[in-house]
Parts: sequence; C-alpha cells; structure tokens
Amino acid sequence: RKEVEQDPGPFNVPEGATVAFNCTYSNSASQSFFWYRQDCRKEPKLLMSVYSSGNEDGRFTAQLNRASQYISLLIRDSKLSDSATYLCVVRGGSYIPTFGRGTSLIVHP
Amino acid sequence: DTGVSQDPRHKITKRGQNVTFRCDPISEHNRLYWYRQTLGQGPEFLTYFQNEAQLEKSRLLSDRFSAERPKGSFSTLEIQRTEQGDSAMYLCASIRLQAPEGEAFFGQGTRLTVV
Repeated sequence: RKEVEQDPGPFNVPEGATVAFNCTYSNSASQSFFWYRQDCRKEPKLLMSVYSSGNEDGRFTAQLNRASQYISLLIRDSKLSDSATYLCVVRGGSYIPTFGRGTSLIVHP
Repeated sequence: DTGVSQDPRHKITKRGQNVTFRCDPISEHNRLYWYRQTLGQGPEFLTYFQNEAQLEKSRLLSDRFSAERPKGSFSTLEIQRTEQGDSAMYLCASIRLQAPEGEAFFGQGTRLTVV
C-alpha cells in the first residue's frame, strides 16, 4: 500500500462547479499535511497547509480527519485557472514530505 | 530572487554519460531535499540533507547516484552512467526547520532526457 494515495482523475468540471478531492495516508504518526498545486511541466507550489481544525483560504477549504487518516480539498466556484494537478503531501517525524501521485483537475467553460 | 534555484533547467545526454545538477536552496533553510518526478506521478523522495549531513537516502537512489552538500549551502546531484530510465524531472526543495509547519519550497527542476 502506498503511503499517500490519491485518485488521479482527471476530474472534468464546468466553471463555477464545486469539486472535492480526497487523499488517504497510511502512517498514523504523520504530523503535517499540505496541498500543493502543480501546473504542467512546472514545480509544485504550496497551496495550503491543512490543520486539524480545518482551514479555509478563499474558495479553497482543507480538512483533516486523523481518525480515518484522510485529508480533503474542496474548491468552490471553480475557475478555468484552477486547472492543474493537486498533490497531497504528508510529513511525519522524519521531516520527509511524502507526495501522492496527484489529482488532475480540468475546468472547462 | 530568493527562492530555490536549480541549474540547468534542461539537460539532454547520451546514455552512459555522467551528469551533475546543482541546487541552491533558500538561504536560511536547513534542510534540502532531492526528488524525482516522472510523468503522471508525484515527486518521489531521493535523499535529504540537514546542513551538510546527508541524513537519509531512498532505495530509489542506486549506487550510480550521489549527492553532496559540502558546506551546508548548495547541493549537487550526480548521476553516473546514465540510463534511459533516469529520464525524469529532478526537483530540489528546501525547508526551514524552525518554521511551524515546515512547508517545502521547490526549485523549478532540472528536466533530464537520456537518449
């Protein structure tokens, strides 16, 4: 079983739609959680950290469920510019960020 | 620019040749990581340094790969006797240990093509 698992998609949604991604992790001792965005042939860039209490940044909401070992990302009112790959990242006590394979999002007009 | 810098951005090499990549992390960041990413996959961990000490290496890092961070600042990743399977994007990231969440910041990567 992979340490961090994501549905690769693609998720194909119209502009204005709400879309949600989930990610599961296997190491119950994981301490920090992040969502990164990666555009085609570019480097990953931090989208948001994920806190135990959940957090929101504009149209983006991230949640963590430690009991079930998953994190989620919700994007409301999707824009064309949201089209990208969203990478789930988990870090344990070893300080090595472990990436999922990413979920591809395509927002169409 | 005070971000993570990688050089070169692209490298095409013939099978069997050696290549070396460089990474300059954000200056106050203690930890430096190397990852490899192939099409359709997330970045896969290769190795990391805390200051000049190499603390862990992945099983992906065969004996043809070597990484150094001699003065705890920039790092190099060398691949000897390259194979076609080494073709990938090689990403460098750095983390400031004292940061509350320890977010990783990435360079733009070196895209290696072995022909």
